[in-house]
Amino acid sequence: AQSVAQPEDQVNVAEGNPLTVKCTYSVSGNPYLFWYVQYPNRGLQFLLKYITGDNLVKGSYGFEAEFNKSQTSFHLKKPSALVSDSALYFCAVSASGGYNKLIFGAGTRLAVHP
Amino acid sequence: KAGVTQTPRYLIKTRGQQVTLSCSPISGHRSVSWYQQTPGQGLQFLFEYFSETQRNKGNFPGRFSGRQFSNSRSEMNVSTLELGDSALYLCASSVGTSGREVQFFGPGTRLTVL
Repeated sequence: AQSVAQPEDQVNVAEGNPLTVKCTYSVSGNPYLFWYVQYPNRGLQFLLKYITGDNLVKGSYGFEAEFNKSQTSFHLKKPSALVSDSALYFCAVSASGGYNKLIFGAGTRLAVHP
Repeated sequence: KAGVTQTPRYLIKTRGQQVTLSCSPISGHRSVSWYQQTPGQGLQFLFEYFSETQRNKGNFPGRFSGRQFSNSRSEMNVSTLELGDSALYLCASSVGTSGREVQFFGPGTRLTVL
């Protein structure tokens, strides 16, 4: 069965410092991986995805993610955090067999302190 | 383009009642998926519709149902509401249904069951 793990409930980082939000996955076949962000009382906003090709994926708002097949990881990164990046981040994988069923991790709350 | 819209945004019902939620996808998108978000269970896939056909279904009881119309708009229905159905219900749309496309989420409908 497909699954996604986000091992950290919360990540704290100072503004201007690099940030990493971790994600590991378990899926049969080739994974299609996504990162979404959720602000309070809002839906999910797409940040980036990995389908195939270059392991380093660049996305919106300066975020990037590195796909590591051997470690089955897809960590989200940003070189310099902003206070406005504070939100709930979700990693997701498309279930095998196609279709648009996303399996989400539990989410990681990112807190960026001034 | 206008984003995914969901109506109503907030809903309060009592146990035993039924409820219908509506979702209008982004113009040109033919796939609509529904997700339930709760603090305890996180984000869980309910079902996906493409060209008026249910393509995939999550692990929810039969009280949860949905449909899609010829203009791609979708509705989901929950009958015989239970307290545990209180959640944020999110709708997402995408162009296709391969699992590779980005799903764009609406703001959600917050359902409270009393």
